[in-house]
Amino acid sequence: GQQVMQIPQYQHVQEGEDFTTYCNSSTTLSNIQWYKQRPGGHPVFLIQLVKSGEVKKQKRLTFQFGEAKKNSSLHITATQTTDVGTYFCAGLASGTYKYIFGTGTRLKVLA
Amino acid sequence: DVKVTQSSRYLVKRTGEKVFLECVQDMDHENMFWYRQDPGLGLRLIYFSYDVKMKEKGDIPEGYSVSREKKERFSLILESASTNQTSMYLCACCGRFNQPQHFGDGTRLSIL
Repeated sequence: GQQVMQIPQYQHVQEGEDFTTYCNSSTTLSNIQWYKQRPGGHPVFLIQLVKSGEVKKQKRLTFQFGEAKKNSSLHITATQTTDVGTYFCAGLASGTYKYIFGTGTRLKVLA
Repeated sequence: DVKVTQSSRYLVKRTGEKVFLECVQDMDHENMFWYRQDPGLGLRLIYFSYDVKMKEKGDIPEGYSVSREKKERFSLILESASTNQTSMYLCACCGRFNQPQHFGDGTRLSIL
């Protein structure tokens, strides 16, 4: 079945350092969504990418969708303590309407 | 803004009990989902529903059933709870193509 792998599982960074998490799907995706879950909270939608090679930015966050639509990345520039949480990607396989979530990357930011 | 409400934040039940987890959404949306979240495994889809009385198995449906009698309500049922069903359960709404999913606050279920 379809799988979405996400690396790394954990990342500790000093405040001000950059951070990247990567998502890789075993199948081609129609689109990919990114979510952030704060400690003790529920996943909250960040962004969606649909087009091959698409790049979107939200302030210090940059999201990319691979040319083959099988991988994606989230890059945070100059992390802040408010970035702490677990970041999930969720891919929609072509021809289906259910999303497969990645395993998540848990980010800790040390002040 | 979409509101997804799960009936309990914390629940403790005993092995063998029948457990009901309730979820209500206020968007009149067709799609609703049940996930479980475990450390290192992310969110895994148990069941989803794309309309009233319609349901489809997700990736880990064993030991669970669901009910969707009204559009706004999606119930997850543990027929005979077992300790390996101790987990965080998240309900979500919406998530049609190109739309985000909106999650409830989750139910942390412990089976003793």
